[in-house]
Amino acid sequence: GENVEQHPSTLSVQEGDSAVIKCTYSDSASNYFPWYKQELGKRPQLIIDIRSNVGEKKDQRIAVTLNKTAKHFSLHITETQPEDSAVYFCAASVSGGYNKLIFGAGTRLAVHP
Amino acid sequence: SAVISQKPSRDICQRGTSLTIQCQVDSQVTMMFWYRQQPGQSLTLIATANQGSEATYESGFVIDKFPISRPNLTFSTLTVSNMSPEDSSIYLCSVEPATEAFFGQGTRLTVV
Repeated sequence: GENVEQHPSTLSVQEGDSAVIKCTYSDSASNYFPWYKQELGKRPQLIIDIRSNVGEKKDQRIAVTLNKTAKHFSLHITETQPEDSAVYFCAASVSGGYNKLIFGAGTRLAVHP
Repeated sequence: SAVISQKPSRDICQRGTSLTIQCQVDSQVTMMFWYRQQPGQSLTLIATANQGSEATYESGFVIDKFPISRPNLTFSTLTVSNMSPEDSSIYLCSVEPATEAFFGQGTRLTVV
């Protein structure tokens, strides 16, 4: 079945450094790739997304890249801050739709002052 | 984008009982999706709810345990039946079409 693999499972960086989280997907029909940030005790919040007709998207310190040929996409956070500490999930759409999603296992990011 | 409201936001339930979670959208949508997030885990799709037809369940989820209703294009319910502590999770709904894949505020269920 469809699968999304996410790496690393944990990531520790110093404040101001960059953080990169990578995901690979199996469904070649996937066309929508959102990223979520989940703080402790809260629901996942959509932070950025990318569609299959775009290779890169940026929003301030956050960027996402997509390589459809290789079936992988990545989240890049620059100039990390302690408030970026959270669990991040990638997801890929399945069955040709947008919001029917398969999620990666998550990455726990810790940003140390 | 559509606004998704979920009720209840949290509940503590006795094992063996059932809880019905409501998801209300402020506009008509074709599909509504129910997800589960067990403690410390990622999100897993439970089922897709289409108006006027039976819900489509993902592998590992069955209608007897998670009956779903979709009476109209703006509303759906998910029932967690005969609950056990393993059902303690956050339950979330999402919709399509939507410009972005976002969730309702979720229902945090604790089964004791």
